[in-house]
Amino acid sequence: EAGVTQFPSHSVIEKGQTVTLRCDPISGHDNLYWYRRVMGKEIKFLLHFVKESKQDESGMPNNRFLAERTGGTYSTLKVQPAELEDSGVYFCASSQFDTNYGYTFGSGTRLTVV
Amino acid sequence: AQRVTQPEKLLSVFKGAPVELKCNYSYSGSPELFWYVQYSRQRLQLLLRHISRESIKGFTADLNKGETSFHLKKPFAQEEDSAMYYCALSPFSGGYNKLIFGAGTRLAVHP
Repeated sequence: EAGVTQFPSHSVIEKGQTVTLRCDPISGHDNLYWYRRVMGKEIKFLLHFVKESKQDESGMPNNRFLAERTGGTYSTLKVQPAELEDSGVYFCASSQFDTNYGYTFGSGTRLTVV
Repeated sequence: AQRVTQPEKLLSVFKGAPVELKCNYSYSGSPELFWYVQYSRQRLQLLLRHISRESIKGFTADLNKGETSFHLKKPFAQEEDSAMYYCALSPFSGGYNKLIFGAGTRLAVHP
């Protein structure tokens, strides 16, 4: 089966610009998660979709971040306007079963804001 | 507050040496604990989970609730074990939950 796909793999943008990250989960996986790793720090939870609904968005840092999952398929994470501290690796993961069975992660998008 | 601490950023050992990657957690309830691994140029993937009490690729981890630890151990390291290792906690038993990760430990196994 195809894995979790994320693109772009890398993005370099200037402070103040907008960037949209995309995640295509494994087909049939209702649960989709976004995480972020800022350089040298832990991987932090951003939000969790169940189908098209936001189940938990407690990790979203501020209102410059907007996540959507139209139709319960792929998801986008938009950062507008981007700030320097938004730089990091953004991971998407999907799962069919509960968390104890583990997620399938995408390869991540490395975002650099200059 | 819920937190996972991995005190070592880098652990460097020689092939055949024992390995112990430390993980401590802070959580008032009964969490589920996991180890995830990311090999070079590969995706983050689940290595093992405490509820299954399994040994994967020779690695084991025992949950010590008294010490709030979940250290990852392997008696004889192999070069292919070189990777980034993340300890993670799920706040609830069962269900579809977020994971709380530590900052990770890079394991380097030298020949």
